[in-house]
Parts: sequence; structure tokens; C-alpha cells
Amino acid sequence: QVQLVESGGGVVQPGGSLRLSCAASGFTFSSYGMHWVRQAPGKGLEWVAYIQFDGTNQYYADSVKGRFTISRDNSKNTLYVQMNSLRAEDTAVYYCARHRGSKLYLDYWGQGALVTVSS
Amino acid sequence: QTVVTQEPSFSVSPGGTVTLTCGLSSGSVSTSSYPSWYQQTPGQPPRTLIYNTNNRSSGVPDRFSGSMLGNKAGLTITGAQADDESDYYCGLYMGSGIWVFGGGTKLTVL
Repeated sequence: QVQLVESGGGVVQPGGSLRLSCAASGFTFSSYGMHWVRQAPGKGLEWVAYIQFDGTNQYYADSVKGRFTISRDNSKNTLYVQMNSLRAEDTAVYYCARHRGSKLYLDYWGQGALVTVSS
Repeated sequence: QTVVTQEPSFSVSPGGTVTLTCGLSSGSVSTSSYPSWYQQTPGQPPRTLIYNTNNRSSGVPDRFSGSMLGNKAGLTITGAQADDESDYYCGLYMGSGIWVFGGGTKLTVL
């Protein structure tokens, strides 16, 4: 069965950096695009970034463009997001999700990793 | 900046029918936005319900259905049950590799 497991969350100071990982199993990771979606405490979902199946292209929400970098290692079945210049408003649970190509939606979600930006 | 709009809250009686909508602050939602719907209960990740306007994801009960309602996408729950009490989010593909979620609708079943 499809499994997505995020790791790397924690507390970081404003201006700091953090890298989240998402380990994928139960499907051919290299055949699927992947997303990061976040949810601030008590708030709704916010799409963060998308990477194509082969890592060729990446896309970002305006709120994180220039600060976050999505990447993947298909040999390790792992998705990443490098988060730099973190702000208090980046505090959220970060979910990785699988992209269903032809239908353009997110079909499987991980359990999420909490990132807290605070001094 | 275009905002995806959803009703902040809705209430339905057990066994009743409710339709939640997903629109745009400027412009219309169309099938080319590939509307999708996600259900989330507190402390849990989202669960995918509907994709490509009106297709149910695997394992989703047929009391959930999606449609286009004029210039909006809609999610209808027919015969609402207590465990349908959740937050519901719509997602739209905006083109150029960009997705956007609506602010969510908190559904109460009482």
C-alpha cells in the first residue's frame, strides 16, 4: 500500500533553515510527481510546491518562492523540501502528497511533520 | 491575487443533503481547473474524496458526489452521517504548475 512518511520537523529560530524529508513506499516513486502542502495551526490547507516525476521542473507558491526548494532522490524514494529564511508564518504541519498526473490532483497524503519557527 | 472561496461553515441534519461550493474571487471555476475535494478531521491528514470534478476516489462512499454548479464546483453529501462532520477543502489547478486550496468549509452534522 502507498505510504508517505515525513520527517525532519522541529523548532527553528526565525531566519533559520530546516530540511524535511518524505520517504515513499508501496509505489514506483520515480513515476509520480510530488507535492508539499502545509497547514498552519487552526488554519486551512496551503499548497507549497510541486516537483515533476523526474525532478525536471519545480513550482512554488508565491509565499515560499526564493526561500524553499523542493527536490527528490528517486534512487532513495525520497522527497525533500529545503526551507531557508524561515519566518513565524511558516509555522505549520507540512504534508507530502502524491500527484496523480493525468487527473491533476493529490491522491495520497502523509501524516505530516510539524515545523515551528520561534525564538 | 485570485482567492478560492468556500463557505466557512455549514450545518446539515443527519440523513439530510448538503452541497458545498468552491468558487473564485474573480472568474469562474471550470472543469479545466480539475476541481478536487478533500476531507479532514482534527489531527488527521486530508483524505481525497473527489477528483476531476466528479470522480470518487477509491473507497469513498457514493453518498459523496461532485459536480459543476454554474461558475462553481460543488460537493454534495446525500444522506449525511455523523462521521461526515469534518472540514472540507476544494483544490484547483491554476495552470503553470500551480495549485490552490480553498479556505475550507467546516461541516457540522446535527
